[in-house]
Formats: sequence, C-alpha cells, structure tokens
Amino acid sequence: QAGLTQPPSVSKGLRQTATLTCTGNNNNIGNGGAAWLQQHQGHPPKLLSYRNNNRPSGISERFSASRSGNTGSLIITGLQPEDEADYYCSAWDITLNAWVFGGGTKLTVL
Amino acid sequence: QVQLQQSGPGLVKPSQTLSLTCAISGDSVSNPTGAWSWIRQSPSRGLEWLGRTYYRSKWYFEYAVSVRSRITINPDTSNNQFSLQLNSVTPEDTAVYYCARGASSLDLWGQGTTVTVSS
Repeated sequence: QAGLTQPPSVSKGLRQTATLTCTGNNNNIGNGGAAWLQQHQGHPPKLLSYRNNNRPSGISERFSASRSGNTGSLIITGLQPEDEADYYCSAWDITLNAWVFGGGTKLTVL
Repeated sequence: QVQLQQSGPGLVKPSQTLSLTCAISGDSVSNPTGAWSWIRQSPSRGLEWLGRTYYRSKWYFEYAVSVRSRITINPDTSNNQFSLQLNSVTPEDTAVYYCARGASSLDLWGQGTTVTVSS
C-alpha cells in the first residue's frame, strides 16, 4: 500500500526526456523532499537522487530531480534503452516516523 | 566499497519466525551517522519499510505500525551486521526482503532474499 502517488506507467521515445512525478503531503515530501530509486527486473533498487536533487556518486547527470510543494519530479534526459525500468519515489514521513514509498512508475523507452 | 550481504532461509512455515541477517562490509553498524533498515517488496503491497535501528550514543529502534507487534531488529556489533525477526508469519508475509543503509536516504540496498511463507 503506497503512501506516495505515482503514475503506473510512462512511455517515451529514445533520446527524449521523461518526467516522472510523485505526490505526497506536508508530512513527507513537503517536509524533507523526495528520493528516487531505479529498479531493474530481478535487481534491488538503486538510489538515483535524494533530498530533491542530490545525486550519489556514479549517477549520470541525465538524472535530475526537483520539488514543487508536495510533489517531487524525476527528469531523465536523453533516454537510453537501459533507462527502461521501474522508478520509485520515497520520503521520510515525520508523523508516521517511517519511510514511505510510491507504487512505482514503469518507464518504457520506445 | 560498502556492501550489504543478506542471508537466511527462503521458506518459512506459517506461524513460525522469519529470520534474516544483513552483513555489512565497508561501514559499521555502529556508525553514529548511519541507520540500518529492513524493507520488503511484494506485488500486492509494493515496497514496504519495516523498521530500522541506529546508534546515537545508544541504540534506537523504529518500526512500522503494520508489523510493530511482530518485529525485532537487532544490531550485532561483534559481527558488524544486523538482523530481522518477524514472528507469527502468514502467507501475506511472502515477499522479497531487503536490508538497506541510510538515515536521510536509503542509499545502499542488499541483494534481496525471496521469502515464501508456506507449509
């Protein structure tokens, strides 16, 4: 049961730009921002971005994030075949005292 | 390079206890800026955070409401690892279980353990 809301699927063409969204509330995204995870089939999630737009070492600059109010966004530029994956947002909820996740968006690169 | 290596059985009988361990290399379970979580993933429930432990001069434990009555997370400083125990399991606890590191973000995940609850 997802605490954050994500669209189930997004399809974009090769080398295009995809924008994935994640909506929470004042207690999670609105408080500390969102983190974004990428998961390929059969593999664990991998952190792409945290606290809205900080990238861990080794993550491509094609991945960036932003926040507007209680909605976070992940922007992927120059889409490549390997970007086809499931993308999850997460945030710490200060009232639940727990990490909450979105239901995931399946990105298809056409 | 920090790594998390999970171990534990993949099949647990209903009403019994699910036990998993996450061994840490390249970091310390006692890191005063770290935190160590257990998360599970299933088609019906998606990603679900179960709980975490962290050390800030003493040990702290935080658990999800959904499993609070059944869960224990224990740090093991001697072996630099932490464990998950989930009691009285049912088929609804069937999932891929992950350990993960991070206080302000979940920046590193274990390889995952598929746990099936079945007789």
